[in-house]
Amino acid sequence: GEDVEQSLFLSVREGDSSVINCTYTDSSSTYLYWYKQEPGAGLQLLTYIFSNMDMKQDQRLTVLLNKKDKHLSLRIADTQTGDSAIYFCAEIPNRDDKIIFGKGTRLHILP
Amino acid sequence: EAQVTQNPRYLITVTGKKLTVTCSQNMNHEYMSWYRQDPGLGLRQIYYSMNVEVTDKGDVPEGYKVSRKEKRNFPLILESPSPNQTSLYFCASSPKPGGTGNTIYFGEGSWLTVV
Repeated sequence: GEDVEQSLFLSVREGDSSVINCTYTDSSSTYLYWYKQEPGAGLQLLTYIFSNMDMKQDQRLTVLLNKKDKHLSLRIADTQTGDSAIYFCAEIPNRDDKIIFGKGTRLHILP
Repeated sequence: EAQVTQNPRYLITVTGKKLTVTCSQNMNHEYMSWYRQDPGLGLRQIYYSMNVEVTDKGDVPEGYKVSRKEKRNFPLILESPSPNQTSLYFCASSPKPGGTGNTIYFGEGSWLTVV
């Protein structure tokens, strides 16, 4: 079945890099997404990557896609306190009408 | 400003008392959906709508109803709420379900407690 897996928690020291990992199951997915949920708020699209790309960089964010292993990662360079949030990995299988979210990784920033 | 608006944001109600959570979007999106978010379970889709008068069950539709009489509105109805429906609910909309880097817009969330 369709499933998106990610670890539930990650703690990182301020200034270090954070790497949030995700595995997905549907190889037909054309786009893979990272959403960010700040405390008390809804989800906001952080970035996405097209399946024919290996890497996408956007300022402090780097998305890596290993299509063979169905592995997606989000790297946040120079992690700041404002990066503290829950990060959701998501895929939309080509044949489907719905977006499938992982359970979310809560990123905790240590001083 | 593009937004998805949900009301109420916070509600405490009693078992069996019908309630409606409203959702409205101002982006003329065709696709709207409702999710519930629970600790350790992530986001689970309740219902979705591809367009006006078209609704379909998501992963956890039991105990919920929806309607899509107008494009902008997609209310979530709990006919007889039970404590296991205590959760954080999100409404979302997008031009279409997904693909092509489509952005899904989420509301701010509605905290519902059923006692």
